[in-house]
This record gives sequence, C-alpha cells and structure tokens, in this order.
Amino acid sequence: ETGVTQSPTHLIKTRGQQVTLRCSSQSGHNTVSWYQQALGQGPQFIFQYYREEENGRGNFPPRFSGLQFPNYSSELNVNALELDDSALYLCASSLMGSNEKLFFGSGTQLSVL
Amino acid sequence: QKEVEQNSGPLSVPEGAIASLNCTYSDRGSQSFFWYRQYSGKSPELIMFIYSNGDKEDGRFTAQLNKASQYVSLLIRDSQPSDSATYLCAVNPLRGATNKLIFGTGTLLAVQP
Repeated sequence: ETGVTQSPTHLIKTRGQQVTLRCSSQSGHNTVSWYQQALGQGPQFIFQYYREEENGRGNFPPRFSGLQFPNYSSELNVNALELDDSALYLCASSLMGSNEKLFFGSGTQLSVL
Repeated sequence: QKEVEQNSGPLSVPEGAIASLNCTYSDRGSQSFFWYRQYSGKSPELIMFIYSNGDKEDGRFTAQLNKASQYVSLLIRDSQPSDSATYLCAVNPLRGATNKLIFGTGTLLAVQP
C-alpha cells in the first residue's frame, strides 16, 4: 500500500461526456502526477501538479486538465471523451526536489463506449 | 525510435533461475532510471532505482546501468512464481526536475514452477 488513493476504481462513460477522477496523495508528499496507461502499454505522462499549479505536461490535448488543492489532493478532468481515452488512469505522488520516486495509486479504469 | 525500449516478452524462466530484463533508452542526457513491477490488473510498484554506472543490488534484485551504451537491466536471482509480472523500465530525463518518467511498454516475465 502506497497511501495514494484514487476514486472511483471503475467508470463507464459514453463518447462526448466529461469525467472527473480524484486522487489523494501520500502523507508528506507535495507533488501529484497523472499517467494514462492503455492496454498493453506503459504509462504515459499527462501532467504534474506542484503548489497547486501545473508543473510539466505531456503530449495530451487541452481537454485533459487538472487541479491540485491545498491539501495536495488532485483531480483529473477530461472533456469531450473519445473512445481512445479508455485506459487505466494512474495518480502518483512524490516529494518535489528530493525524491523522484513515484508512488502510484491503484488507478481508475475508464471505459468510453 | 521509441524513447524507452523493452522486449515485450513473454520471458519464461524456470523457478530458481536468474531472470534478465533489458531496456535501452534514446536520450543520452537521462539521469535516473527505475524499474517498476506491475501485476496484472494492478498499478506499478517501484522495485529498484539507479543513478550511476555499474551495479546496484537489493536482495534478489540487481539493477545494472551503462550510460555509454544507453542500457539498463534488471536481474532477478532465484526467480519465484510470485515474480511473474510485467516489469516496466522508466527513465527520468532530468534528475530532480519535473519527475516526469518515460516508461517502456514493459516485459512480461513468467516464472514456471
């Protein structure tokens, strides 16, 4: 157990809908990163949040957005869902500047029909 | 050329043997290297990290890094059926910066009893 919790565990949406995924970071960690893992692939970096601001972004369109709250928890929002957005969404927490090691939550499995 | 490449496997080894997992990366300036284990349906779990050329041992695991060849490997001694999982190689191009990891697609390891 890493102490990183994600909700919900599973979600089914239809194309064009919007979704919000939530993550609570491990105690003492101030940075949250989000990754997308498609079936049979490695995780792909979406973005990272530190001090409530986006601190790095991968090759994902603007319809992927996020928030970080003062308690370091985070949300990932995806608008206008597409079929290819079906994937496991992983949240990882870490400590900025002193620890690059990521601790992943159990993930949210999103299915877009 | 993919940024981080791994043989997808499956790599099948008998119980008690040494499993050797390999990874190459394209960014010569990469600083930090990680191995994650992912059981089917679960999230990635950090098992080893290495920053300097050479070997790093932790229990039955040894990570090996050769920056000149842009090559990192993971050896698992005395392989057990419980080691059967997908092993993800990850690279952080900038040490201590954004903590953005670039993952390979993973190698599936099957340890036969």
